[in-house]
Amino acid sequence: GDSVTQMEGPVTLSEEAFLTINCTYTATGYPSLFWYVQYPGEGLQLLLKATKADDKGSNKGFEATYRKETTSFHLEKGSVQVSDSAVYFCALGRPQRYSTLTFGKGTMLLVSP
Amino acid sequence: KAGVTQTPRYLIKTRGQQVTLSCSPISGHRSVSWYQQTPGQGLQFLFEYFSETQRNKGNFPGRFSGRQFSNSRSEMNVSTLELGDSALYLCASSFDRVIGELFFGEGSRLTVL
Repeated sequence: GDSVTQMEGPVTLSEEAFLTINCTYTATGYPSLFWYVQYPGEGLQLLLKATKADDKGSNKGFEATYRKETTSFHLEKGSVQVSDSAVYFCALGRPQRYSTLTFGKGTMLLVSP
Repeated sequence: KAGVTQTPRYLIKTRGQQVTLSCSPISGHRSVSWYQQTPGQGLQFLFEYFSETQRNKGNFPGRFSGRQFSNSRSEMNVSTLELGDSALYLCASSFDRVIGELFFGEGSRLTVL
């Protein structure tokens, strides 16, 4: 079955540092890939997505590229802010199963001033 | 516009009791899905409803059930509660046939004693 593996956290960075959160997946065919973010006390929010190989999703300075050859969708940001502190979830979705996502365990990011 | 609203936000039950959680989707969204979030298992898909019909179901026992009403509002019910049912239950709504672009509520936090 489908699965998503994320690097374990917490990831602790200083403000303006470069961020990478690794995500790899196991799935047959051509899934769509997503990054969601959960701020403290809130529900999840879609951060970015990519629907086919070599697509790059981007939003709010975050980027991730769908790499089919390495089955990866790593999240990057060039300069993190304290307000980026949150839990980040990588997820996989399939055609015909629109709302059924397989999530990774989540990676907590802590950014200090 | 108003987001996804879940009620109640917090509740405490004892083993053997049952619980009903409610979700009001974003206006115009006809698909509602439910997820269970726990520290150990992360986010796990429970079920998805569209036009009052269950469209997909996750791997949970029959004690977990749900329904959707004609106005797209949804409820989920857990009967014969177990300690392991303690979790944050997240509802998400979406437009139909859009893969993975979910709008989550803040969740209902259930504690089973």
